[in-house]
Amino acid sequence: EAQVTQNPRYLITVTGKKLTVTCSQNMNHEYMSWYRQDPGLGLRQIYYSMNVEVTDKGDVPEGYKVSRKEKRNFPLILESPSPNQTSLYFCASSLLGSGSTDTQYFGPGTRLTVL
Amino acid sequence: GQNIDQPTEMTATEGAIVQINCTYQTSGFNGLFWYQQHAGEAPTFLSYNVLDGLEEKGRFSSFLSRSKGYSYLLLKELQMKDSASYLCAVRDMDDKIIFGKGTRLHILP
Repeated sequence: EAQVTQNPRYLITVTGKKLTVTCSQNMNHEYMSWYRQDPGLGLRQIYYSMNVEVTDKGDVPEGYKVSRKEKRNFPLILESPSPNQTSLYFCASSLLGSGSTDTQYFGPGTRLTVL
Repeated sequence: GQNIDQPTEMTATEGAIVQINCTYQTSGFNGLFWYQQHAGEAPTFLSYNVLDGLEEKGRFSSFLSRSKGYSYLLLKELQMKDSASYLCAVRDMDDKIIFGKGTRLHILP
């Protein structure tokens, strides 16, 4: 079954404690992306990657890191989480081709609370 | 700056037709997407437009005018399960994806 998986689904942590949210896709997609979703602000892109070892900043990259060492995985790292990073996070993946139907498939989401 | 505008909320009646508009100003254009998102769930893909015109998919259609920076999503024969948020998103020239804040659609019986 084609899917994007994220772990953990729920996480409560404290300020300053490094954490990683994993994301994996089994569709051989080139494009992967992380978003955060906050009430009244909608989905905002944090980082995206167009292929292995290629990552770019989205609209809200501050306080986050990513890596793309393998095509299927795109972990999101918070080196020193702060309360303003409390949010719902989504990972997504898609093919990347001009003129194609570049459907993004979203993971189920990770609800993060930073105390 | 980059901006995508869509109405915050809309209400329609079961069985009717509703049109959700989206206007965008972005650094270049590589396609426009519409997603549906039910509360507490992940967005799911509805449509993709990269050329001007209307794309029809069952009860859902999406229209694009690149010269006007405008798109709309048309939902026909509304059902109660269509109550959800509808998200407009644009891929810019750098393949960054910008989402609008979403339109919450309420369906009345």
